[in-house]
Amino acid sequence: EDQVTQSPEALRLQEGESSSLNCSYTVSGLRGLFWYRQDPGKGPEFLFTLYSAGEEKEKERLKATLTKKESFLHITAPKPEDSATYLCAVRGRSGGYNKLIFGAGTRLAVHP
Amino acid sequence: GAGVSQSPRYKVAKRGQDVALRCDPISGHVSLFWYQQALGQGPEFLTYFQNEAQLDKSGLPSDRFFAERPEGSVSTLKIQRTQQEDSAVYLCASSLVGTVPSYEQYFGPGTRLTVT
Repeated sequence: EDQVTQSPEALRLQEGESSSLNCSYTVSGLRGLFWYRQDPGKGPEFLFTLYSAGEEKEKERLKATLTKKESFLHITAPKPEDSATYLCAVRGRSGGYNKLIFGAGTRLAVHP
Repeated sequence: GAGVSQSPRYKVAKRGQDVALRCDPISGHVSLFWYQQALGQGPEFLTYFQNEAQLDKSGLPSDRFFAERPEGSVSTLKIQRTQQEDSAVYLCASSLVGTVPSYEQYFGPGTRLTVT
């Protein structure tokens, strides 16, 4: 059964303090690992898609990387506006390559 | 450009009432998905449409849940005889083509359903 585990559940950072969020996954026939950002009361906002081990993508202060078992979302010099819940999801064979299997998310709080 | 829209944004229902939640996907998006998100959890898949065809409904928790997309655009998720455990945020997402790996799913703001 496809499974996604995110850690830590919650993370508190000082502004400028870089860190990484972890997404460990078990999936049959990976066809994409997705990172989303979700603000309170809003739907998930797409950030990145990664397809193969070794792939990296960057957007502003965020960089996502992928290995065969996990993905990391690196946040460099975060600002308070980066505070949100970050969700990781996978798409694989068992879901017919349609549905996304999500982790529970990491709640990030960045304080000035 | 308009994103995915959902209505109502908030719905309070008494236990036993029927509710209908609406989703307007991004124009031209072939695939449409419904997810359920409990407090503090990630979204969980409910059902998937490609155009008007419902290709996967494996995530619907019971036969009280029913979804349709009759003209391949707007979709409605209906919950009959609501129960307290149905309280959650219901998210709709759309993508250009669900089975092609290069297309992401774009989410609406969700409908928060509270059953009292």
